[in-house]
Amino acid sequence: KAGVTQTPRYLIKTRGQQVTLSCSPISGHRSVSWYQQTPGQGLQFLFEYFSETQRNKGNFPGRFSGRQFSNSRSEMNVSTLELGDSALYLCASSVGNRGGTEAFFGQGTRLTVV
Amino acid sequence: AQSVTQLGSHVSVSEGALVLLRCNYSSSVPPYLFWYVQYPNQGLQLLLKYTSAATLVKGINGFEAEFKKSETSFHLTKPSAHMSDAAEYFCAVRRSNFGNEKLTFGTGTRLTIIP
Repeated sequence: KAGVTQTPRYLIKTRGQQVTLSCSPISGHRSVSWYQQTPGQGLQFLFEYFSETQRNKGNFPGRFSGRQFSNSRSEMNVSTLELGDSALYLCASSVGNRGGTEAFFGQGTRLTVV
Repeated sequence: AQSVTQLGSHVSVSEGALVLLRCNYSSSVPPYLFWYVQYPNQGLQLLLKYTSAATLVKGINGFEAEFKKSETSFHLTKPSAHMSDAAEYFCAVRRSNFGNEKLTFGTGTRLTIIP
């Protein structure tokens, strides 16, 4: 069974630009969550989608947005990039309908803003 | 609100020695608890999870953890460290009775194995 796939693995962008990251969940998983990982703040929850609906959102500015498609694939977008947005962005998928089901993570997208 | 505290941002043990990584949780409802491992430039891999079925949970790679409600702890142990265990370890908590999938992570513990 294929795991969670994130593309691209690495990105370099300039301040002010926007970026779109993609996540393909494990087949059959309807929940996709996004996390930002930085040395200073650790792992921070961005948002979670289930069956194309955002069910939960973390404490991030509106420049961070996401969506989920009918095939459960998800994208997140960051507009007007700032230097502080440099981070590893991790996507996780799960079945999504029970609290105890584990989340499976992708390899992440390393975003560098210069 | 739930939270986890990982005591010790860096832990060093000799190869073959006991590994003990500490995690204490705070949750307003019975929690689901997880340990994840992260190798350099990789995502997170699930080691084990506690979902109230058994207090002693066995995971992959010889790791196990014991849920102690009285101590609000979920420490990760391995009897004999191997060089391949060098990585960063994260404890995470999720509320048990909600359908959303937010995980709250600790700050992580970097494990170094001394040859």
